[in-house]
Amino acid sequence: DAGVIQSPRHEVTEMGQEVTLRCKPISGHNSLFWYRQTMMRGLELLIYFNNNVPIDDSGMPEDRFSAKMPNASFSTLKIQPSEPRDSAVYFCASSFTGPGNEQFFGPGTRLTVL
Amino acid sequence: AQSVAQPEDQVNVAEGNPLTVKCTYSVSGNPYLFWYVQYPNRGLQFLLKYITGDNLVKGSYGFEAEFNKSQTSFHLKKPSALVSDSALYFCAVRGNDYKLSFGAGTTVTVRA
Repeated sequence: DAGVIQSPRHEVTEMGQEVTLRCKPISGHNSLFWYRQTMMRGLELLIYFNNNVPIDDSGMPEDRFSAKMPNASFSTLKIQPSEPRDSAVYFCASSFTGPGNEQFFGPGTRLTVL
Repeated sequence: AQSVAQPEDQVNVAEGNPLTVKCTYSVSGNPYLFWYVQYPNRGLQFLLKYITGDNLVKGSYGFEAEFNKSQTSFHLKKPSALVSDSALYFCAVRGNDYKLSFGAGTTVTVRA
């Protein structure tokens, strides 16, 4: 298995532009998580999907952020409009459902908003 | 609410010496505990986990961790550190739901 796949690996954009991050989870996993990592705040859970349904989006910073999971093999995280404070590394992770199952992380997307 | 504390921002050891990275946790109910490692410009990589059973858990790359319920700790250990073990290490805890709470991370530097 190729593991969790994320694209792009790096994104540089200007303030106000729309940014779309993509994730392909490990085949068979039914839980998907989006995280944001910054030096100041560490790892933050943004949203959690189970069986393609958003279960908890309380970590999404504001209405500028949205996430979708149209099928079991694809998810997107969109920021519109982007702001400099959105600059961070965004990780997607997937797992089997259940508290004892470890999450597998993708390589991340490093987003820089100028 | 659940939480994880990693009291040391940095741990420095010489190659060949034992390595310990400390972690304490707080959670309601039975804890599910995890250790992850992150190399520069990479995602988090799973090392090991404790669910139930034996308090000493063995994982990847020669790492092990000891679960101590009375001290609510889950310290990561390696008997003989390698330079290639230099990385950022995260402890994480989960209760009976989906939320995985991470510690702030400990940077390990192993000098040759």
